[in-house]
Amino acid sequence: EDQVTQSPEALRLQEGESSSLNCSYTVSGLRGLFWYRQDPGKGPEFLFTLYSAGEEKEKERLKATLTKKESFLHITAPKPEDSATYLCAVQEGKAAGNKLTFGGGTRVLVKP
Amino acid sequence: GAVVSQHPSWVICKSGTSVKIECRSLDFQATTMFWYRQFPKQSLMLMATSNEGSKATYEQGVEKDKFLINHASLTLSTLTVTSAHPEDSSFYICSARTPGTSASYEQYFGPGTRLTVT
Repeated sequence: EDQVTQSPEALRLQEGESSSLNCSYTVSGLRGLFWYRQDPGKGPEFLFTLYSAGEEKEKERLKATLTKKESFLHITAPKPEDSATYLCAVQEGKAAGNKLTFGGGTRVLVKP
Repeated sequence: GAVVSQHPSWVICKSGTSVKIECRSLDFQATTMFWYRQFPKQSLMLMATSNEGSKATYEQGVEKDKFLINHASLTLSTLTVTSAHPEDSSFYICSARTPGTSASYEQYFGPGTRLTVT
């Protein structure tokens, strides 16, 4: 069974204090790893998809990286508006229908 | 990015009644849509995979007769919660898969529907 574990569960940062979120996974064959941002009471907002180890993608202050066992979401010089829950999800290689398995999320709070 | 809408955004219903939630892909055709539920401070749990023109595939433990899913067109999927009970109160979120090969696709989520059963 696929396992997706995110750490830490919660992260409090000062504005400008860079940090990284971790997503560890065990799947029989990774087809894709996804990062989403979710604000309270809203649906997840797509950020990145990573497909192979060594791949990196950036968007504003966010950078996602992928290895064979984990992915990191780096937040550089965060601002209060970066406060949200960040979710990672994996698509397993044998899955039919391309379903995603989500981790528990990391709640990020950036204080001004 | 692609836009997915849900309607209604929130609904309150009485125990024993049925509620229908719509999920639409607004600017792309989605052959596959997904339905999730999310409890407070928890992550998303997949309920079912909905493929256009065929029966939905339900996850283990999800009652298919209680959560009816219909994917009648390439832009619309509906979830009907039948004979709702208070324990069905939750945040229901749909997502739609963009066209492309399974090696390169993105999945976009709707804004969610808050269901409260009294």
